[in-house]
Amino acid sequence: SQQGEEDPQALSIQEGENATMNCSYKTSINNLQWYRQNSGRGLVHLILIRSNEREKHSGRLRVTLDTSKKSSSLLITASRAADTASYFCATDGGANSKLTFGKGITLSVRP
Amino acid sequence: DARVTQTPRHKVTEMGQEVTMRCQPILGHNTVFWYRQTMMQGLELLAYFRNRAPLDDSGMPKDRFSAEMPDATLATLKIQPSEPRDSAVYFCASGLGLMASENTGELFFGEGSRLTVL
Repeated sequence: SQQGEEDPQALSIQEGENATMNCSYKTSINNLQWYRQNSGRGLVHLILIRSNEREKHSGRLRVTLDTSKKSSSLLITASRAADTASYFCATDGGANSKLTFGKGITLSVRP
Repeated sequence: DARVTQTPRHKVTEMGQEVTMRCQPILGHNTVFWYRQTMMQGLELLAYFRNRAPLDDSGMPKDRFSAEMPDATLATLKIQPSEPRDSAVYFCASGLGLMASENTGELFFGEGSRLTVL
């Protein structure tokens, strides 16, 4: 069963706007990761945040983690049409540290 | 340019046939994951190997699915017999366990094997 659940399921914004995607999870984690998937392709790793970190940046990406609320958010600033993709959060936790994924958020960025 | 290679990219077969999907992980990676992706269920973890040893295959239907790593350069996922409900995209991913821990770090995904069972 999926550990993380993303919210919203779909998001449509205008180019240049910021996109915020949320992820909630149920049990304790070692780290949380965000991935991107373009249509018909494999997933690509974006960023990893450890359980003892609260915020991390990578280029136009900003990830936050609140372990007390068991939630994370991914912010993409100044979005571009090329950011159109599905975004997944994945949690590493539990026995054997397996990585489990949520169902994903479909982001559409209109030119 | 190191990448995870999966074959076949597409497979159409008839119900009851055996299907074998292959994955070449990135050289030096010590973890290999098999996932299945469908619209309804999203990404489901089927099997997980660390240093070629199976650690978790609880997500895999044991009666028809099997996963192995005959050597460090090859992981296989076999379905026998296949059923229409097995139609999905199957992804292999490899990665390195994080330093000084058994945690899972960044995973590198292959392009997937799209399976259609008629």
